[in-house]
Amino acid sequence: GQSLEQPSEVTAVEGAIVQINCTYQTSGFYGLSWYQQHDGGAPTFLSYNALDGLEETGRFSSFLSRSDSYGYLLLQELQMKDSASYFCAVTPGNMLTFGGGTRLMVKP
Amino acid sequence: DTAVSQTPKYLVTQMGNDKSIKCEQNLGHDTMYWYKQDSKKFLKIMFSYNNKELIINETVPNRFSPKSPDKAHLNLHINSLELGDSAVYFCASSQSRGIYEQYFGPGTRLTVT
Repeated sequence: GQSLEQPSEVTAVEGAIVQINCTYQTSGFYGLSWYQQHDGGAPTFLSYNALDGLEETGRFSSFLSRSDSYGYLLLQELQMKDSASYFCAVTPGNMLTFGGGTRLMVKP
Repeated sequence: DTAVSQTPKYLVTQMGNDKSIKCEQNLGHDTMYWYKQDSKKFLKIMFSYNNKELIINETVPNRFSPKSPDKAHLNLHINSLELGDSAVYFCASSQSRGIYEQYFGPGTRLTVT
């Protein structure tokens, strides 16, 4: 089976940098994805790491260490609109298995 | 222009009733999914279809029956609704099976009273 651990809640101020960690245990692994979900909205894809290292997309970066079964999402220059839940997900095969989500609250 | 659409957006019904949720995608994707998101925001896969063929059925009660008339549509029928079925149900699609980038519909909030 698969299990993913991520903090339930993180708070940061506007303009700051925040890191959301994710550790996983899975019987098969192809990569680690990140999704963003605003309250009342649908999950939207942010990033994917199949190989070790850092992937950067604008203000967001995602990191993966396969040997440590660990990854993180880094959000820079935080904006109020970044307040949302962030989910890591593993792809062991034909499907995505999601972590419990991290609620990010950005304060002025 | 909507990529993945679901109807209805809200569904309020009584225990024991039967209801359906419809999903359509216009992205030309081969694979579609149903997810359930509970009140604690856990997002769990229920079913996956690839080109109208069921490929994932994640220990979901038999009361839930998906149907895919073509690869652009995936409907979910629920019989004998129970209180515990109250959740948000999301439809999603991806270009093919096993793809990490999935496109989600707006969700259907089901409330069973």
